[in-house]
Amino acid sequence: EVQLVESGGGLVQPGRSLKLSCVASGFTFSNYGMNWIRQAPGKGLEWVAYISSGSSYIYYAETVKGRFTISRDNAKNTLYLQMTSLRSEDTALYYCARLRGTTRAHMDAWGQGASVTVSS
Amino acid sequence: DIQLTQSPSSMSASLGDRVSLTCQSSQGIGNYLSWYQHKPGKPPKPMIYYATNLADGVPSRFSGSRSGSDYSLTISSLESEDTAIYYCLQYDEYPYTFGAGTKLELK
Repeated sequence: EVQLVESGGGLVQPGRSLKLSCVASGFTFSNYGMNWIRQAPGKGLEWVAYISSGSSYIYYAETVKGRFTISRDNAKNTLYLQMTSLRSEDTALYYCARLRGTTRAHMDAWGQGASVTVSS
Repeated sequence: DIQLTQSPSSMSASLGDRVSLTCQSSQGIGNYLSWYQHKPGKPPKPMIYYATNLADGVPSRFSGSRSGSDYSLTISSLESEDTAIYYCLQYDEYPYTFGAGTKLELK
């Protein structure tokens, strides 16, 4: 069974940092690209970042570019999202999602989400 | 960035009704569109990918279609468990973009 489990969320002050993790199981993690998606309270879904299976390709939403860093450790089956200079508008539930396919890949498996609250 | 416009933003329907939700793309994305069902406290659930393909485990009452830049998700006979917010997503290019969602409720 494919499983994605996020952790590392919490309450953090504006301007501080936080690192999310997403541990994968039930599939060969190193074969799949991954996305981070978020949902702010009362809002819709927003794509945040992408990393290819071998970390060769990385993309970010303009809203987080320069502040967030996506990475992965295929030996540990783990995806990361390092978030710095956090703002109140980064408050959201953050999901990791697996991409099925190489290019033009849809997200076929999602974690339960990690909650991040940015507030003083 | 590619914009997806979903309509209606919300709707209510009765059990057994045929329901259609629409998503319009601001530019050509081919069939690179998927639909997700989102219920409170749960992650989004894939329903349709590549515009018309049913995701694993999704009941056959769900279907997807495309007409030009207009994409539809249809439920042939609404059941109570189908109440949720439905989002479309284009994955033709990054940044991936979602529609604003359609909230589907029971009448």
